[in-house]
Amino acid sequence: DGGITQSPKYLFRKEGQNVTLSCEQNLNHDAMYWYRQDPGQGLRLIYYSQIVNDFQKGDIAEGYSVSREKKESFPLTVTSAQKNPTAFYLCASSMAQGDQPQHFGDGTRLSIL
Amino acid sequence: AQKVTQAQTEISVVEKEDVTLDCVYETRDTTYYLFWYKQPPSGELVFLIRRNSFDEQNEISGRYSWNFQKSTSSFNFTITASQVVDSAVYFCALREWYTGNQFYFGTGTSLTVIP
Repeated sequence: DGGITQSPKYLFRKEGQNVTLSCEQNLNHDAMYWYRQDPGQGLRLIYYSQIVNDFQKGDIAEGYSVSREKKESFPLTVTSAQKNPTAFYLCASSMAQGDQPQHFGDGTRLSIL
Repeated sequence: AQKVTQAQTEISVVEKEDVTLDCVYETRDTTYYLFWYKQPPSGELVFLIRRNSFDEQNEISGRYSWNFQKSTSSFNFTITASQVVDSAVYFCALREWYTGNQFYFGTGTSLTVIP
């Protein structure tokens, strides 16, 4: 079955540590996205990528970094510069055409130790 | 400015009641797409429906129905005879033609159906 796989499901970060969240899709989608969701809040866009080797900052990119070396993969690194990283992170992908919906992974819950 | 507004933060209904979730959007584009997603407690967002700006026909799928009105820039979602399994957070989203791949989400409405 095609879909989006996020790993790990739960992740703990120590102070001053960088951590990387994995996102893999086998839907052959061109575009991929990372969102952050805080309790009781909506989705905020961190980064998105329309094609391989290209990505754009979203609304809250500070303290995060991404790479898009392969079409299938869009890992997100939460750096030590992100002072409040505790949140639920969702990865999504979509076709390039405008009327296609996004498909989402199951999410990664990141907490601070 | 918020492109998608879901004014209802939380709604509680008793099972079998009907409930309508409101969504108001803002865009200058003449071509755009609207979506509804459901986020159950497990966390994954599930796509429910898509509408393009040229198709104002309302849609019904089982107990779900959607009312798209361009005149009021609204895309409301009604659940008829609600069930406990409908308890979730529901998100409305907008995708504009000219901004390409970016999606704009509302802040979501948390629906609780009480048995």
